[in-house]
Amino acid sequence: DAGITQSPRHKVTETGTPVTLRCHQTENHRYMYWYRQDPGHGLRLIHYSYGVKDTDKGEVSDGYSVSRSKTEDFLLTLESATSSQTSVYFCAISESPGQETQYFGPGTRLLVL
Amino acid sequence: QKEVEQNSGPLSVPEGAIASLNCTYSDRGSQSFFWYRQYSGKSPELIMFIYSNGDKEDGRFTAQLNKASQYVSLLIRDSQPSDSATYLCAVRVNNDMRFGAGTRLTVKP
Repeated sequence: DAGITQSPRHKVTETGTPVTLRCHQTENHRYMYWYRQDPGHGLRLIHYSYGVKDTDKGEVSDGYSVSRSKTEDFLLTLESATSSQTSVYFCAISESPGQETQYFGPGTRLLVL
Repeated sequence: QKEVEQNSGPLSVPEGAIASLNCTYSDRGSQSFFWYRQYSGKSPELIMFIYSNGDKEDGRFTAQLNKASQYVSLLIRDSQPSDSATYLCAVRVNNDMRFGAGTRLTVKP
């Protein structure tokens, strides 16, 4: 988890409320990713970023938006949280998409009631 | 069919034995193959990756890749209780990384 922090680490919220998760890195890596992890599904890519203000959708992007205004920060927003978005969210970073190691942050546990 | 499939386990082996973890993938364009270890409540950490057919060894770990059969495996020799974790197989296709759901391994003392 060195060099990557996520905040908050735990959050309970209610259906319909907006939620923003933050990923912060000190490695100056260009690529950042948001995944969600659910039992039976493994890790699924939500969105990724390949530079400041450059983002793209992943496999499960519906209901999520992202922003990256600085190299070190990648924000994930649930505009109107639903119970199906209860999950563990991991941020990851890599120097390039072809660079073989993605380093993962410690994760955020989100419960939507 | 899932893109990356793993037996969810649990796989239980005695201490000192060889643990064999298997993974199949569906996209023949897959370029790189990864094994991550994830302890309960923690984030995934990379164990090793492999590009080419054959075996790649790193300490007690050996990754095996067979592209013709679309199969990748991880062998853990001299298994230790500290190896008890969930092992995630991941496959890169272009810029996308696709993960299997993981196999839970328990090493019994």
